Amino acid sequence: DVKVTQSSRYLVKRTGEKVFLECVQDMDHENMFWYRQDPGLGLRLIYFSYDVKMKEKGDIPEGYSVSREKKERFSLILESASTNQTSMYLCASSSPGQFYGYTFGSGTRLTVV
Amino acid sequence: GEDVEQSLFLSVREGDSSVINCTYTDSSSTYLYWYKQEPGAGLQLLTYIFSNMDMKQDQRLTVLLNKKDKHLSLRIADTQTGDSAIYFCAAAFSNDYKLSFGAGTTVTVRA
Repeated sequence: DVKVTQSSRYLVKRTGEKVFLECVQDMDHENMFWYRQDPGLGLRLIYFSYDVKMKEKGDIPEGYSVSREKKERFSLILESASTNQTSMYLCASSSPGQFYGYTFGSGTRLTVV
Repeated sequence: GEDVEQSLFLSVREGDSSVINCTYTDSSSTYLYWYKQEPGAGLQLLTYIFSNMDMKQDQRLTVLLNKKDKHLSLRIADTQTGDSAIYFCAAAFSNDYKLSFGAGTTVTVRA
């Protein structure tokens, strides 16, 4: 019954590496979101997409990019990973007019060393 | 955008009721949500309420909405150890697909 799948639960990468975080949803949702979660800061929106090939910056886009080539897949890219990008990354999806909010993936805990 | 605020921590004894509070800034918010996050997991929708409602009850959960004060609360009756988690309040406009989240309240249930 998995609906939003993030490809990795735990990831360890080296500083300077290019990192890809993948998210796939099987609910035919138009909207997809990437958040990072840090203690005491809650959820901060990095990027979101409301349609294939469309993307918009969230509150903290610096150091990140995204790709949405297919409706079901939304990828977050760390162009050159840094230690301050060590965090929990959460993907979510929703549909316009959907009143029950977002469906979240299980999260990817990324450690950059 | 919408600002949503919550207290960061709550400690409650097993069997007691928990009350988690949330305030939001924009009175135009149409939908309000409570999410639960267990350790190491993603967020799971617990319940939601529309802005034209004052209260919603779902088993052990009761949501109260005071639109005048822009205050939302979640009451968990007979709190159990499995209720230990982070609880997020979120708000949305009807014409905006983005949710604004609070920082989350960490609830610790002690025996």
